[in-house]
Amino acid sequence: KAGVTQTPRYLIKTRGQQVTLSCSPISGHRSVSWYQQTPGQGLQFLFEYFSETQRNKGNFPGRFSGRQFSNSRSEMNVSTLELGDSALYLCASSLDRGQETQYFGPGTRLLVL
Amino acid sequence: GEDVEQSLFLSVREGDSSVINCTYTDSSSTYLYWYKQEPGAGLQLLTYIFSNMDMKQDQRLTVLLNKKDKHLSLRIADTQTGDSAIYFCAVSKSNTGKLIFGQGTTLQVKP
Repeated sequence: KAGVTQTPRYLIKTRGQQVTLSCSPISGHRSVSWYQQTPGQGLQFLFEYFSETQRNKGNFPGRFSGRQFSNSRSEMNVSTLELGDSALYLCASSLDRGQETQYFGPGTRLLVL
Repeated sequence: GEDVEQSLFLSVREGDSSVINCTYTDSSSTYLYWYKQEPGAGLQLLTYIFSNMDMKQDQRLTVLLNKKDKHLSLRIADTQTGDSAIYFCAVSKSNTGKLIFGQGTTLQVKP
């Protein structure tokens, strides 16, 4: 069974631009969570989607948004990019809300110049 | 609030056992995990334990949970150079879809 896939793997953007990252969960998994990893703040939860609904959200500004499609694929969007948004963005999938074990993708490394 | 703490660095000799420790504050945490991250890669799930368990063994890995002290540990037996990586402890509560991570422990294995 294929693992979690994320595209693109690397991105370079400039301040003020917006970016969309994509995540395809493991087949059959319905829950998708997003995390931001930076050297200073470590791994921080962004949001979680289940059955196309955002169920939980971390402490990030409204510039960070996401959505989930009917096939469980998810996208996250960051608008008006800031230098501090440079990070590794990780997506994780789990079977459903009752099965919490999360499997992570390789991440998208975003550099904002 | 929710907080997870780990020591930042551990150095061992190849063949020795490694023990990585983690403490957490939220006693309602239901699932506790250990993830491994190699340079430039995502997080690899190593093992997990439910809060109603005290111990779990999986080949070279042993997880111990002390709920009273809110302390979780990961023991790696016969540590190999390929085990060099950053190890993250994480906790979650049921039905939140949210993991709270520690800062990560860098394990250095010397030949």
